Amino acid sequence: QKEVEQNSGPLSVPEGAIASLNCTYSDRGSQSFFWYRQYSGKSPELIMSIYSNGDKEDGRFTAQLNKASQYVSLLIRDSQPSDSATYLCAVGSSGGSYIPTFGRGTSLIVHP
Amino acid sequence: DAGVIQSPRHEVTEMGQEVTLRCKPISGHDYLFWYRQTMMRGLELLIYFNNNVPIDDSGMPEDRFSAKMPNASFSTLKIQPSEPRDSAVYFCASAGVSGYTFGSGTRLTVV
Repeated sequence: QKEVEQNSGPLSVPEGAIASLNCTYSDRGSQSFFWYRQYSGKSPELIMSIYSNGDKEDGRFTAQLNKASQYVSLLIRDSQPSDSATYLCAVGSSGGSYIPTFGRGTSLIVHP
Repeated sequence: DAGVIQSPRHEVTEMGQEVTLRCKPISGHDYLFWYRQTMMRGLELLIYFNNNVPIDDSGMPEDRFSAKMPNASFSTLKIQPSEPRDSAVYFCASAGVSGYTFGSGTRLTVV
């Protein structure tokens, strides 16, 4: 059974701070990793994808991957109240297909 | 492109009734997925199709659930008979070379 684990939170950070969201996964052969943002009552939307070890930056978002430790994280710099949402980690199967396994998500609250 | 279109957005039904959820994937996407999301269990994959063919339905909770994809532009998820524990948000998603996109979801309440 492939598992993706996230702390459910909520993670509360002040506006302007760095929010750090973490995720571990069980399938050592996984090759693709994704972060989705889900606002309350809305559908998940893809914000970051990462495929190789190291960091990938996109604006205020940085995804970090460590395959040896089976760990992926998302950093949000200069957090804004509009970043308040649930962040879902998703891990692609080792077969390389489109089929991700989702974590249950971490709730992030950015307070002014 | 209008994205993945689901209907209805909200459905309230009585226990024992049949419920049909509908999905129109993004044109050109060759994968279609049905998910269920609850607070307790998170986002669960129920079934997925590739080129209209069901590939893996191991996530379908029981025989009361069935899904079809008669053509590349339409899929249904049916629950018969419905039970209160089926209350959840059901998402359809489609995937292709342009990426993986979720629909807006159907919030199902079974009373």
